[in-house]
Amino acid sequence: QQQVKQSPQSLIVQKGGISIINCAYENTAFDYFPWYQQFPGKGPALLIAIRPDVSEKKEGRFTISFNKSAKQFSLHIMDSQPGDSATYFCAASMYNFNKFYFGSGTKLNVKP
Amino acid sequence: GAVVSQHPSWVICKSGTSVKIECRSLDFQATTMFWYRQFPKQSLMLMATSNEGSKATYEQGVEKDKFLINHASLTLSTLTVTSAHPEDSSFYICSASRAGATQPQHFGDGTRLSIL
Repeated sequence: QQQVKQSPQSLIVQKGGISIINCAYENTAFDYFPWYQQFPGKGPALLIAIRPDVSEKKEGRFTISFNKSAKQFSLHIMDSQPGDSATYFCAASMYNFNKFYFGSGTKLNVKP
Repeated sequence: GAVVSQHPSWVICKSGTSVKIECRSLDFQATTMFWYRQFPKQSLMLMATSNEGSKATYEQGVEKDKFLINHASLTLSTLTVTSAHPEDSSFYICSASRAGATQPQHFGDGTRLSIL
C-alpha cells in the first residue's frame, strides 16, 4: 500500500507560471513532510519541508501548503523557471522515526 | 551544510563480481544511513536502514545476503552487492541523517551500477 500518493506524474508549465504538485497521505502519525528536487543522474536534494503545526511555509519561490484535515500537502513553485525542470518527490515521516515514505515523483518541465 | 558523498558514481563490471559502494557524511555525524534503489523514471525504493554500530534493517523483499550493509562509523556506510548479476543493474542512492527526532535525510549523488 502506497503511504504517500503524488500527482500529477508529469507537468508542463510555461516560464513565469505557477507549478503545483500535490500529495496525499493516510497515516495521521506522519509529522514531517519534506519535498525533494532531483536532477537526472543526481541524488535528491532537500528543497523545503513542513510540520503539521503550520498550514503554509514559504522559502523564496517555493511554498508548501498543508491541509491537516484533508491529509494533503502541496508544493507551489512561483515564477517557474527552466532551471526548475526536474523531478520532484514529496515524502512523509513519523516523529522520532526517520524512515521516509516517498511519493511516486512528478517530472516538471518548464518551457522557456 | 549537510554534504553526503557517494563513491563511485558509476561502475561497470562483469556478472558474478562483488561491488562495494561507499557513502560518507562529510560535515556531520550520521547516526542513521539509508540505502535506496531507483529504477528509471521511478521513485526511490528503500532497501535498508543502518544505524551506526548495529545490524541493518532490511525492507521486505530485499535479500540480506545479496546486499551487505556495514555502518562502521558515524560518517561511513557501505553497500556491497555480492555476486552481482544484470538484474542488479540500477541507480543506488544513499542518504544520511543526524540524530534527533525527525531529521531530514541528505542524499548522495548516487551510484550507477551496470552489470554486464
